[in-house]
Amino acid sequence: EAGVAQSPRYKIIEKRQSVAFWCNPISGHATLYWYQQILGQGPKLLIQFQNNGVVDDSQLPKDRFSAERLKGVDSTLKIQPAKLEDSAVYLCASSFRGYNEQFFGPGTRLTVL
Amino acid sequence: GDSVTQMEGPVTLSEEAFLTINCTYTATGYPSLFWYVQYPGEGLQLLLKATKADDKGSNKGFEATYRKETTSFHLEKGSVQVSDSAVYFCALSDQAGTALIFGKGTTLSVSS
Repeated sequence: EAGVAQSPRYKIIEKRQSVAFWCNPISGHATLYWYQQILGQGPKLLIQFQNNGVVDDSQLPKDRFSAERLKGVDSTLKIQPAKLEDSAVYLCASSFRGYNEQFFGPGTRLTVL
Repeated sequence: GDSVTQMEGPVTLSEEAFLTINCTYTATGYPSLFWYVQYPGEGLQLLLKATKADDKGSNKGFEATYRKETTSFHLEKGSVQVSDSAVYFCALSDQAGTALIFGKGTTLSVSS
């Protein structure tokens, strides 16, 4: 079974630029999560989707971050404009609806200069 | 709100030593508890889980017991190997289908 796919794996941008990350969850997983992992800390939820609807985006900085999951499968997370403090690893995870075991992708490491 | 606290690292051990990584949690309900592991250059992988009090999760020689009375879920392994070197995260989910709340992670380094 293929795992959660993410791209790119690494991205370096300058502050005020924009960037987008892509995630393809495990086939059949209705729930998709985006987490932000800052160096030395545990992952923190940015947004959770159930199919193509948003379940929880309370911790998403909506002035600069946006995310979509238009067809209920893959998802895109965007940052515009980026700040230095956005340097982190962005993790995508998915799960079957109603189950608490989440499967994580390899992450995208973002460096903002 | 809910939170997870785990011991600060790094933890440095010799091969075949006994491992304990402490984890305590704060939650209003009856959460499910997890240990995830992150090997160098890889994504997070579920190591073990427990969904109710007194449950013991186990995998690859690692064990953790859900202790409601002490709100703890300490990770243990009787004999570590060099290949166990990784970052270990304790996490909770207050109900199925909700996001995980993670601790800060504990780096384990095992030398031969």
